[in-house]
Amino acid sequence: AQSVTQLGSHVSVSEGALVLLRCNYSSSVPPYLFWYVQYPNQGLQLLLKYTTGATLVKGINGFEAEFKKSETSFHLTKPSAHMSDAAEYFCAVSEAGRRALTFGSGTRLQVQP
Amino acid sequence: EAGVAQSPRYKIIEKRQSVAFWCNPISGHATLYWYQQILGQGPKLLIQFQNNGVVDDSQLPKDRFSAERLKGVDSTLKIQPAKLEDSAVYLCASSAIQNEQFFGPGTRLTVL
Repeated sequence: AQSVTQLGSHVSVSEGALVLLRCNYSSSVPPYLFWYVQYPNQGLQLLLKYTTGATLVKGINGFEAEFKKSETSFHLTKPSAHMSDAAEYFCAVSEAGRRALTFGSGTRLQVQP
Repeated sequence: EAGVAQSPRYKIIEKRQSVAFWCNPISGHATLYWYQQILGQGPKLLIQFQNNGVVDDSQLPKDRFSAERLKGVDSTLKIQPAKLEDSAVYLCASSAIQNEQFFGPGTRLTVL
């Protein structure tokens, strides 16, 4: 069975500051890992994904995440926050070859001017 | 490329009533998913279809929820009868083989 833990249901940063959203997972098989963003009253949009290969993955809007197998982590970062980054962020895992996603509970990012 | 379409966007019903949601996936996507997202939580898989066959429905409350995917394209999710705890956003997603999932805008259900 898989699970995802997102530390911090709410994160607040100042515009221009580093964004760090934490995600830890458990999986009995090599995982596929994802970060999705959800704006109010909209569906989920894929930010980035890790399947195999390079452990540092770059996504849209300047976000990146690093897969650390030893720490079972896949934290999301962005060097400089923008007001438009305010949204809900979800980390998700799926077993390779089985494409259904198991999501974390989400982290709401607030960006202060 | 058109995205995943869902209707209605909002639905308000009273408990014990029935409701149905419709999803039209991206053209050519063989896999279709229904997720339930309760306020303050991440989405939870209800059912996964591969073409018109069910791959995983282990978390679908089968005493009240049903879903079908006719001809391997559109899908309908039904709740009968609805309970208060069914209030949630119902998300439909689709994917091509081995590719990422694309999500629709969701249907927000309120059960009074």
